[in-house]
Amino acid sequence: GNSVTQMEGPVTLSEEAFLTINCTYTATGYPSLFWYVQYPGEGLQLLLKATKADDKGSNKGFEATYRKETTSFHLEKGSVQVSDSAVYFCALIDGAGSYQLTFGKGTKLSVIP
Amino acid sequence: SQTIHQWPATLVQPVGSPLSLECTVEGTSNPNLYWYRQAAGRGLQLLFYSVGIGQISSEVPQNLSASRPQDRQFILSSKKLLLSDSGFYLCAHGGGNTDTQYFGPGTRLTVL
Repeated sequence: GNSVTQMEGPVTLSEEAFLTINCTYTATGYPSLFWYVQYPGEGLQLLLKATKADDKGSNKGFEATYRKETTSFHLEKGSVQVSDSAVYFCALIDGAGSYQLTFGKGTKLSVIP
Repeated sequence: SQTIHQWPATLVQPVGSPLSLECTVEGTSNPNLYWYRQAAGRGLQLLFYSVGIGQISSEVPQNLSASRPQDRQFILSSKKLLLSDSGFYLCAHGGGNTDTQYFGPGTRLTVL
């Protein structure tokens, strides 16, 4: 079956620090990969996505590269802000015709001034 | 642009009471629609999905049910709530040929 493993939090960083949240996956097909962000009390927002190997998804200063050889999709940001404090979810959907997103457990990020 | 609405935003219900949560989507036609539940310690779990009016697939056996009476309306129901039904319920939509799902603001359900 499919699975997503992401680093457990919580992660606490100072403002302007570099962020990495690790995500690795197992899939039976050729998945598309996603990062979603959830701010307190809100639904999930799509942060970025990548659909094939070596694709780089980027949005709001966040980046992640689809690495098929290491089955990874690590999230990075060069300089975090207090407003980036949220829970981040790595997810995959396994190929054409699949309907189910498989999520990691989420990583809570707190950025302090 | 596409917008997804959920209501109510929060709900507190006694055990054994019925439930009806509603999700509507604007700005798209014939979307795939999904219900997820986010519960403490259990992550995000797909409950139901629908590819068209009246077409419902269940991923997890439970005392919940879903219906799709109109193209852009998706309803989650229960006849008798359990304590374990407490959680954050998220509706999502996605196109038939796109694998990206977009989520609504969610409904926080507390069963007492």
